[in-house]
Amino acid sequence: EVQLVESGGTLVQPGGSLRLSCAASGFIFSDYDMHWVRQVPGKGLEWVSSIDTAGDTSYAGSVKGRFSISREDANNSLYLQMNNVRAGDTAIYSCARVVVEGYSGGDGTYYYYYMDVWGKGTTVAVSS
Amino acid sequence: DIRMTQSPSSLSASVGDRVTITCRASQTIRRYLNWYQQKPGKAPNLLIYAASSLQSGVPSRFSGSGSGTDFTLTISSLQPEDFATYYCQQSYSAPIFTFGPGTKVDIK
Repeated sequence: EVQLVESGGTLVQPGGSLRLSCAASGFIFSDYDMHWVRQVPGKGLEWVSSIDTAGDTSYAGSVKGRFSISREDANNSLYLQMNNVRAGDTAIYSCARVVVEGYSGGDGTYYYYYMDVWGKGTTVAVSS
Repeated sequence: DIRMTQSPSSLSASVGDRVTITCRASQTIRRYLNWYQQKPGKAPNLLIYAASSLQSGVPSRFSGSGSGTDFTLTISSLQPEDFATYYCQQSYSAPIFTFGPGTKVDIK
């Protein structure tokens, strides 16, 4: 069974640090880009960060310079290092597998990205 | 940055109704648009990718259309299990994604 399981969420003080983990199983982890998405309970989805199969990373402006995404393909694991956290970082953090599908058209090749597998999330609460 | 909007923000419908949700991008995103369904306490579930491609295992009553800046998700005959919140997501600027604010579909 294809599965993603997050862990590491906790109550942390403003300015503190924590590391989230995402354990993958049931698929070849190294073949996929991986992303983190967060959601404040009762609110919408917010994209946080991504790492591709080559290790290239991207971040939302709201977390850039504070969060760091990484992966260990040998351990089928994805991580999110969260530093200098703020109250606005309080949310449920989920990891997601991203499929990159290429289509060849008359004017070139197009790559469609979509999140086809999600974890259930881990809760981060930032409060003093 | 590409901004996504959805309308309506919520709607009430009955079982068997045809439901249409609209998503608009702040600039052209060609067909780089995905739709997700989320039920309370659950992870999002991919319904449609590349604007109109149905994800494997998703019922055929779900369909997507559009290109450029305007997109729609249609549920042809609403079923009890379809009451949920629906999000659009652009992947034009991949690997940076943006989600719409969501549309909640509840029972009339």
